Amino acid sequence: LAKTTQPISMDSYEGQEVNITCSHNNIATNDYITWYQQFPSQGPRFIIQGYKTKVTNEVASLFIPADRKSSTLSLPRVSLSDTAVYYCLVVALQGGKLIFGQGTELSVKP
Amino acid sequence: DTGVSQNPRHKITKRGQNVTFRCDPISEHNRLYWYRQTLGQGPEFLTYFQNEAQLEKSRLLSDRFSAERPKGSFSTLEIQRTEQGDSAMYLCASGTGLAEQYFGPGTRLTVT
Repeated sequence: LAKTTQPISMDSYEGQEVNITCSHNNIATNDYITWYQQFPSQGPRFIIQGYKTKVTNEVASLFIPADRKSSTLSLPRVSLSDTAVYYCLVVALQGGKLIFGQGTELSVKP
Repeated sequence: DTGVSQNPRHKITKRGQNVTFRCDPISEHNRLYWYRQTLGQGPEFLTYFQNEAQLEKSRLLSDRFSAERPKGSFSTLEIQRTEQGDSAMYLCASGTGLAEQYFGPGTRLTVT
């Protein structure tokens, strides 16, 4: 599975849009890009998944360029409750184990 | 509550003791995963089951660790002769074989 690289931490203010970029240079043809969110003392929670172009759900948007070597998670108008660690993962089409990196610790300030 | 549940939520044990954790997955999920997470790190994969078959084990899973899923429903993770390095959050997740996995709240193990 492709290794991912993302910033260790980011700061933002309430109401701003936050974009977290992840690089995955060795992504394979059958791999999907998946993002999870984790609050302290809780298990990770699935946010969004995509293969190419743009995916949007009620929580976030995921932008994937044509070469698929990177992706950007976009969180619109963040609030204090969005303070969490965000993990970018590359996952095989058929699923299986998840390989987590260190993630990006997002801190949203008032 | 139809989510993944784990018991106990917290366990404190003395070094050398055996501990067992239980995970009850979402009922219709045939896949069940175990992960371990230490402070400041992302979860690390330990093992997973498809129904009752254990399909993959990480090298992290030493001989002191054993996991079972006897009837393809709940699963147990046992650690024998615990060591201080086993202190961590043990997470269970379930899924249907696609990328999305549903995680439980975890069992926090402290070995003194």
